[in-house]
Amino acid sequence: GAVVSQHPSWVICKSGTSVKIECRSLDFQATTMFWYRQFPKQSLMLMATSNEGSKATYEQGVEKDKFLINHASLTLSTLTVTSAHPEDSSFYICSVSTDTQYFGPGTRLTVL
Amino acid sequence: AQSVSQHNHHVILSEAASLELGCNYSYGGTVNLFWYVQYPGQHLQLLLKYFSGDPLVKGIKGFEAEFIKSKFSFNLRKPSVQWSDTAEYFCAVNSWGSSASKIIFGSGTRLSIRP
Repeated sequence: GAVVSQHPSWVICKSGTSVKIECRSLDFQATTMFWYRQFPKQSLMLMATSNEGSKATYEQGVEKDKFLINHASLTLSTLTVTSAHPEDSSFYICSVSTDTQYFGPGTRLTVL
Repeated sequence: AQSVSQHNHHVILSEAASLELGCNYSYGGTVNLFWYVQYPGQHLQLLLKYFSGDPLVKGIKGFEAEFIKSKFSFNLRKPSVQWSDTAEYFCAVNSWGSSASKIIFGSGTRLSIRP
């Protein structure tokens, strides 16, 4: 399986600031990565599909201008939460798709 | 649209009890099916997957799942649970033949094992 890392593992920021989360595929060149968010004690909700070299595909109800995704290389996708608000506090998880999906350890975002 | 239903939100068992977690999916085409586990404080790990072939799939840590096409089900089983099986379990589905397609998760089942 693929090994996926995320950075940072947790971040606290003030309301109105932007936060960038990195997702790296350490041993696999990924043309497609996925971004999920998970609220406490709930399931994973797919936010968007990150496509290397092209625009991300967002799920219905996810604001593309708020959650900026950049997939500049085959090993790195970034999610930027712009003008973060307390309701954006969540656990953000990325995954890499090979024969199945392998998940990163997640990033816990807390917006004060 | 694809959807996945896990009807058991929280299951509590004693050690050595048998486990079965229900999973039903809704999709018009052929699907790939997965069970993932999330141990406390850890990230999602793949338990097992079904793509095609034998509908009885064996995974890691003694888990297995059976794909019953007529019932649109993919229930997870383990004959004898251990305290270390305490975790959140997620059933998931994506389109067959497309590993790069998005995965849809069920709401999850929290499994608590009494020592």
